[in-house]
Amino acid sequence: GAGVSQSPSNKVTEKGKDVELRCDPISGHTALYWYRQSLGQGLEFLIYFQGNSAPDKSGLPSDRFSAERTGGSVSTLTIQRTQQEDSAVYLCASSLASGGVQPQHFGDGTRLSIL
Amino acid sequence: GESVGLHLPTLSVQEGDNSIINCAYSNSASDYFIWYKQESGKGPQFIIDIRSNMDKRQGQRVTVLLNKTVKHLSLQIAATQPGDSAVYFCAESFGNEKLTFGTGTRLTIIP
Repeated sequence: GAGVSQSPSNKVTEKGKDVELRCDPISGHTALYWYRQSLGQGLEFLIYFQGNSAPDKSGLPSDRFSAERTGGSVSTLTIQRTQQEDSAVYLCASSLASGGVQPQHFGDGTRLSIL
Repeated sequence: GESVGLHLPTLSVQEGDNSIINCAYSNSASDYFIWYKQESGKGPQFIIDIRSNMDKRQGQRVTVLLNKTVKHLSLQIAATQPGDSAVYFCAESFGNEKLTFGTGTRLTIIP
C-alpha cells in the first residue's frame, strides 16, 4: 500500500514569499502530524490533527505558520512571508490512532530552502 | 529528511556484531516510546515501539528495552548489516499525541 506522500520534495523560494506544502496521509489514518527538522537538529513538532477535533497547534513557531486538513485527509502547511530561519525539512506523519496507541508513519519530507 | 549534526552522537560497530543505542527520555508521564531509523534524504522509518506497561519487546533482529525507573530506553540490533547504517531516533509521547524526539545517534557499520 502507499505510504505518506509529500509534495513538493524540494522547494526553493525567496525570502518574503509564501509557500504551501502538501501531505497525503496513508488511507484510513485519522491522525496527521507535521514536524520540522532543521540541519543538525532532531524533529520538532508543529501541529497535530485528529479526526474532527480541534487541532493541536502548540508547536507552530509563529503566526506565519498555519495548516489545514480538508475532508479529514489531505493537509496543507502554509508559511507566509518566509524567513531564512524557516529553511528546514518539513515532515508529515499519519497514524491510525484508534484501538490504542499506533505508530506514526512518516513521508520523506519537503526540503525547504529560503534564499 | 536528513539529519546531519556536528555534535550527533556516533556509534561504530563491526558488521555482524550486536549494537546497542541508548536514549534518555524526559517526561515521566509518557506512556508510549518508539524507535525510528532515518537514512539520508528519507523520512524516519518505524522500527519498533513499546508501551509503558512493558519493559521489553522484540522484533526481527531488534529489541527495545524500557527502564521507567531511570527513564531510559535502548535499542539493540543483532547481527548488524551494512544496511543498518543510519541515524536512529528515540521518541516518546502520551497516547497518540505529538512525539518528542531525542537528538539521534548515527550508527555506522564497518564492513
